Amino acid sequence: AQKVTQAQTEISVVEKEDVTLDCVYETRDTTYYLFWYKQPPSGELVFLIRRNSFDEQNEISGRYSWNFQKSTSSFNFTITASQVVDSAVYFCALSEVDSWGKLQFGAGTQVVVTP
Amino acid sequence: GAGVSQSPSNKVTEKGKDVELRCDPISGHTALYWYRQSLGQGLEFLIYFQGNSAPDKSGLPSDRFSAERTGGSVSTLTIQRTQQEDSAVYLCASSFGASLNEQYFGPGTRLTVT
Repeated sequence: AQKVTQAQTEISVVEKEDVTLDCVYETRDTTYYLFWYKQPPSGELVFLIRRNSFDEQNEISGRYSWNFQKSTSSFNFTITASQVVDSAVYFCALSEVDSWGKLQFGAGTQVVVTP
Repeated sequence: GAGVSQSPSNKVTEKGKDVELRCDPISGHTALYWYRQSLGQGLEFLIYFQGNSAPDKSGLPSDRFSAERTGGSVSTLTIQRTQQEDSAVYLCASSFGASLNEQYFGPGTRLTVT
């Protein structure tokens, strides 16, 4: 069963618009980690953020922000004032306590930012 | 510094042949991971090595797949008797210390089985 769901297959925005990517996860563990990775057209996955299950504080890094809500099992990602360079596929991933090294990825969301 | 490198970048092979894919992790990284990315299956975990511990092979799709890591550094993923469904991009990643640390990914090897 898919443990990480990214329901949005593709999102298209015009530069400077905000875009929010949804991520819903499923786990029975009380301790787990969530990640976001970016895969630009070049293909290499780039780490963006890691969040553990005990830290529900939202985080902001430049134009990126993350909203973690355990009550809804969601870890959403917002890009503010999008730029063309933000065009990429974004993956949400889960790591559970019985297999820390194993990232379970969602299907990814393709973000297309047009000038 | 140098990132994770993988070779070859592209590999075309005939069905039934064996292939070896190589990964050079970032120097000093003790954990190494293999994933597969295909259109139909998305990003799938295959195997991971952490230091001298027994590898977690739970993601290997069949016994045609195997991997080893020599000297705690370079890793080779071997696919025997390749099938068309093995066509995918094989990604390697490494991380420093505990496996919970962020994984740094290589550029991948695109495998095409004809």
